[in-house]
Amino acid sequence: KQEVTQIPAALSVPEGENLVLNCSFTDSAIYNLQWFRQDPGKGLTSLLLIQSSQREQTSGRLNASLDKSSGRSTLYIAASQPGDSATYLCAVRNNAGNMLTFGGGTRLMVKP
Amino acid sequence: EAGVAQSPRYKIIEKRQSVAFWCNPISGHATLYWYQQILGQGPKLLIQFQNNGVVDDSQLPKDRFSAERLKGVDSTLKIQPAKLEDSAVYLCASSLNYGYTFGSGTRLTVV
Repeated sequence: KQEVTQIPAALSVPEGENLVLNCSFTDSAIYNLQWFRQDPGKGLTSLLLIQSSQREQTSGRLNASLDKSSGRSTLYIAASQPGDSATYLCAVRNNAGNMLTFGGGTRLMVKP
Repeated sequence: EAGVAQSPRYKIIEKRQSVAFWCNPISGHATLYWYQQILGQGPKLLIQFQNNGVVDDSQLPKDRFSAERLKGVDSTLKIQPAKLEDSAVYLCASSLNYGYTFGSGTRLTVV
């Protein structure tokens, strides 16, 4: 059974800092990995999706890496802004037809 | 492209009452999911549909939860009777190939 863990559970940083969010998963036979953002009281917004054959994906100030063999992914946020404050969720898909298994999320606060 | 629509946005009910949630996925998305997200936790899959057939409902509490997908498009999730521990956000998502698109969710409070 796939298990996904995110560390840290909460993070508070001053504006402008570069930061790294961590995600680990127990079963390396994944189809893809996706990072989501969730604002309070809202649904999930997809940030980056990495296929199992890829090592990283970039979108603006966000960069996600994937190391399947070690069961790890990181989300790098450059030059953080107060608008980045949200919960970031990592989710793993084990094959093309299966569900997403989510981590517990990292609650990020960026202070002005 | 329109997103995944869910209603209602909020619902407050007393325990032992029944409640129903509705989801309209993105047009053409064959796969539809219902997730339950308890406060402070990541979403957990309740049920997955492929067109109008159930693919995975292993984590659905079938003694009180039921779901259907009408003609392979809209879906409803019902809870009867509700318990206090059912308080959560219920998220609907649809998928075509690789990525998921989530709706804004329905926040259920059981008092």
